[in-house]
Amino acid sequence: EDKVVQSPLSLVVHEGDTVTLNCSYEVTNFRSLLWYKQEKKAPTFLFMLTSSGIEKKSGRLSSILDKKELFSILNITATQTGDSAVYLCAVPAGNMLTFGGGTRLMVKP
Amino acid sequence: DVKVTQSSRYLVKRTGEKVFLECVQDMDHENMFWYRQDPGLGLRLIYFSYDVKMKEKGDIPEGYSVSREKKERFSLILESASTNQTSMYLCASSVDPTYEQYFGPGTRLTVT
Repeated sequence: EDKVVQSPLSLVVHEGDTVTLNCSYEVTNFRSLLWYKQEKKAPTFLFMLTSSGIEKKSGRLSSILDKKELFSILNITATQTGDSAVYLCAVPAGNMLTFGGGTRLMVKP
Repeated sequence: DVKVTQSSRYLVKRTGEKVFLECVQDMDHENMFWYRQDPGLGLRLIYFSYDVKMKEKGDIPEGYSVSREKKERFSLILESASTNQTSMYLCASSVDPTYEQYFGPGTRLTVT
């Protein structure tokens, strides 16, 4: 059965800290891994990763994929209160996306 | 900008009522999805549609049905609402089912 597991479940940090969120997966015929950020409402797309070892970067957020060890990490440097959200990763399984349970990040001032 | 809209942000219904949740997208996407999101369980796929009048069951289709009569519109129907269907319902659309999906703002449904 296809599986996507995120850790930790939740995290509380202070502004300026660096955080690392983890996503491990077991899927047949891996094609890509996607990261989303969900604040109060709809998830918004962050990154799609298809190749091992190539970092994707957007401002203070970056992500990398390890296809050998079957995981991805999402790094956020110099965190701000606006980074508080649930971070979701998802992997295509068959013809749909399977989502992990999410990591809830709270950044305190 | 891609826009996915949902008919209601908050909805309160009674047990046994028939409930319609509507979703409209303006990007001419072939694929549309209905998820429910519950604390600790993440996003779970209820149904998706890859074309007008075409649908496939997701992970948790029991108690739900869907309708897609027009490309831009995908409806989720709860034939007889039950309290265990209290949840946040999210609609999404995409050009490819395994690529980036664009989500609507969600409908928080409470069944009493």
